[in-house]
Amino acid sequence: AQSVTQLDSQVPVFEEAPVELRCNYSSSVSVYLFWYVQYPNQGLQLLLKYLSGSTLVESINGFEAEFNKSQTSFHLRKPSVHISDTAEYFCAVTDYTGGSNYKLTFGKGTLLTVNP
Amino acid sequence: EAGVAQSPRYKIIEKRQSVAFWCNPISGHATLYWYQQILGQGPKLLIQFQNNGVVDDSQLPKDRFSAERLKGVDSTLKIQPAKLEDSAVYLCASSSTGGRGGPLHFGNGTRLTVT
Repeated sequence: AQSVTQLDSQVPVFEEAPVELRCNYSSSVSVYLFWYVQYPNQGLQLLLKYLSGSTLVESINGFEAEFNKSQTSFHLRKPSVHISDTAEYFCAVTDYTGGSNYKLTFGKGTLLTVNP
Repeated sequence: EAGVAQSPRYKIIEKRQSVAFWCNPISGHATLYWYQQILGQGPKLLIQFQNNGVVDDSQLPKDRFSAERLKGVDSTLKIQPAKLEDSAVYLCASSSTGGRGGPLHFGNGTRLTVT
């Protein structure tokens, strides 16, 4: 079974500063990787995903993540954050459950707090 | 398209009582998941359905939790009897791809408080 480690439980930053949220996963076999964002009292929303191809993937709101197979990492970055980016961010990896079925295994999350 | 619908949004019960949560996935999504998210932790899979069959329920506490998806569409998760440690957000998600590659689409969750 896969496991996901998010090294930072909380990351406070000032508005317009850069940020990196770290994620490492356990397996060296082919995986699909995801970042989800959760705003207060809401469900999880997909932020971006890596399936194959270019190791750098981007979201529509300025976040990017880079898949690094040798380091089994999928860190999330944004060059300049806004107050509206305040949320909890979860890294997830696909995990085989049998037949043609997969589940997502999540990390514990990183609470990003953007201060004015 | 309509998203994943869950009800109720909030539920407060006393320990040893029973509770049920309902989920209606995105139309046409064959795979349905129930996740438990305890405060300060990431979501943990409780059970995965493919149509009306169970794919994975290895982390479901079967002595008190049960789930069904009788017609392969909507699903119900039940807890009986509830314990204090069951306080959590219960998230339902669905997928059209069996979870491989395609994203899971989540509902807003049901926040359960057991007192």
